[in-house]
Formats: sequence, structure tokens, C-alpha cells
Amino acid sequence: QKEVEQNSGPLSVPEGAIASLNCTYSDRGSQSFFWYRQYSGKSPELIMFIYSNGDKEDGRFTAQLNKASQYVSLLIRDSQPSDSATYLCAVRGNNDMRFGAGTRLTVKP
Amino acid sequence: EAEVAQSPRYKITEKSQAVAFWCDPISGHATLYWYRQILGQGPELLVQFQDESVVDDSQLPKDRFSAERLKGVDSTLKIQPAELGDSAMYLCASSLASGTAYFGPGTRLTVL
Repeated sequence: QKEVEQNSGPLSVPEGAIASLNCTYSDRGSQSFFWYRQYSGKSPELIMFIYSNGDKEDGRFTAQLNKASQYVSLLIRDSQPSDSATYLCAVRGNNDMRFGAGTRLTVKP
Repeated sequence: EAEVAQSPRYKITEKSQAVAFWCDPISGHATLYWYRQILGQGPELLVQFQDESVVDDSQLPKDRFSAERLKGVDSTLKIQPAELGDSAMYLCASSLASGTAYFGPGTRLTVL
């Protein structure tokens, strides 16, 4: 079982729609959770992080964490073509940070 | 705005040659990571430093890869000899303790 699992996609949504990206993790001791966006050929850039159960909102982005279910998600509201990228879920345990394989999102005009 | 610096940005080499990558983390960041990312996959942790000490190198192929961070600031990752399967993006990231990791631009390695 992979430590951090994501649906590889591709996920396609129309412009203006809500994109929902999901991630599960295996280590119950994981303490913090991150979403990164990666454009083709570029390095990952942080979108947001979440430490506590519940929702955390930042502009058009909302991260949701459910530690009991070992599940973290990212919602993108009012999706724009510029949001087309691969979204990486990262989980930090005691010390290290592990990444999922990423979900490729395409937002169609 | 502080950034993680990496060089070179691109490297083409022939198999069996030696290659080296350099990373300068954000000032004050004690934790430094080297990741390898194969096209279509997520970043895979190769080695993690806390100051000058290695805290995790369980996924580092130690027969050919080495990493050092002698003064606890910048770091070098070396591959000798390079193999075809080493073609990937090599990413360096840094963080404050258990905080957010910030990535450099990466080094794209092509082994011919």
C-alpha cells in the first residue's frame, strides 16, 4: 500500500465549476498535510496546508481534513483554465514529507 | 522573497559519467530535502538533512548516489556512475523544522 494515494486522473472540469481532488494516507501518526500545484516542467509550489480536522479556506481553495478517515481533499471553486496543472498531496509524519503521485486537472474554457 | 536556489537547471550526460547537483536553501532553514521526480510520478524523497546530519536516506541508492551538507547550509547530490534510469527531475526543498517545504526550480537530468 502506498503511503499517500491520489487518483491520478486526469480530472476534467468546465471553467467556473468546482474541482474536487482527493488524497488518502496510511500513517495515522501524520501530523500535517499540504497541497502543492505543479505546472508541466516546473517545480511544485505550495497552495495551502492544514493541520486540524475540518475545513480551511484560502480564496478559491478549501482544504478538508478528516484524520479518522485518513483523508484530505482540496476543493477549487470557480475553476479557471490557469488552474490546469498537477496537484500533489503531501503528508508529514514525525519527520519526513511524503508525496502522492498527483492528480492532473484540466479546466476547459 | 527568499528562494531555494539550484544549479544546474539542466544537465545532459552519458551513462557511466559522474554528475553533481547543488542546492542553496532558504536562509535559516535547517531542514533540506532532495527529491527525485520521474515524469508522471510524485516526488520521491532521496535524502533529508537536519542541519549537517542525515535524518533519512532510506531511499537513496547508496551504491551510486551520495549527498552532503558539510556546513549545514548548501548541499550537493552526486551520482556516479549515472544510469539511463536516473533521468528525472531532481528537486531540492527546504523548511523550518516541521514547517512547509519550499522547492527550488529543480535540475532536469537526461542520461544518454
